[in-house]
Amino acid sequence: NAGVMQNPRHLVRRRGQEARLRCSPMKGHSHVYWYRQLPEEGLKFMVYLQKENIIDESGMPKERFSAEFPKEGPSILRIQQVVRGDSAAYFCASSQSGRINNEQFFGPGTRLTVL
Amino acid sequence: AQSVTQLDSQVPVFEEAPVELRCNYSSSVSVYLFWYVQYPNQGLQLLLKYLSGSTLVKGINGFEAEFNKSQTSFHLRKPSVHISDTAEYFCAVSDGAGGTSYGKLTFGQGTILTVHP
Repeated sequence: NAGVMQNPRHLVRRRGQEARLRCSPMKGHSHVYWYRQLPEEGLKFMVYLQKENIIDESGMPKERFSAEFPKEGPSILRIQQVVRGDSAAYFCASSQSGRINNEQFFGPGTRLTVL
Repeated sequence: AQSVTQLDSQVPVFEEAPVELRCNYSSSVSVYLFWYVQYPNQGLQLLLKYLSGSTLVKGINGFEAEFNKSQTSFHLRKPSVHISDTAEYFCAVSDGAGGTSYGKLTFGQGTILTVHP
């Protein structure tokens, strides 16, 4: 019974390149959350998606960041023209219903380093 | 807006000693509270959660937490820690502020628990 999967686990990019982070939710889960963990800080909410819909992207920077969760395939967090400040761990979580009291299961994270 | 404060960034303790990790939150509506543990280079694992009912919640690995509404606290405790409990612990809250009906979590800054032999 596979958990939430994220790949790659580690990603190195040079300034100005694009980063694509993938998240496959647990089987049967159609709700995905992305969080970012900057060094020495807690996790911060970025975006909440259901299949083919962005529900809440209030935590996502207005520029360069985008997210999708297509009907088929994993959820993708895309960062264009990366800068050093984007270096962080990005965690994906999934839940079965998305309800406020529903447990979120976290993936192992993608650690992005921008040189 | 809701916020979560973990009062201690680091807590060192000796093996078999008791430990308490403190968490306070602010929210104007009903809340759901969670504690997660993060081992190095891994994702977060749920330790326990408070949704409703009894204010004393028991979780995995011998941890428990008590919800105190009047003090807006949700402190995590363990009566006797092991070396393997060394990790970072996060308190999180989910509430219905602003009409939100889904599980958007707000996390504290984390507490690093280090258990010494």
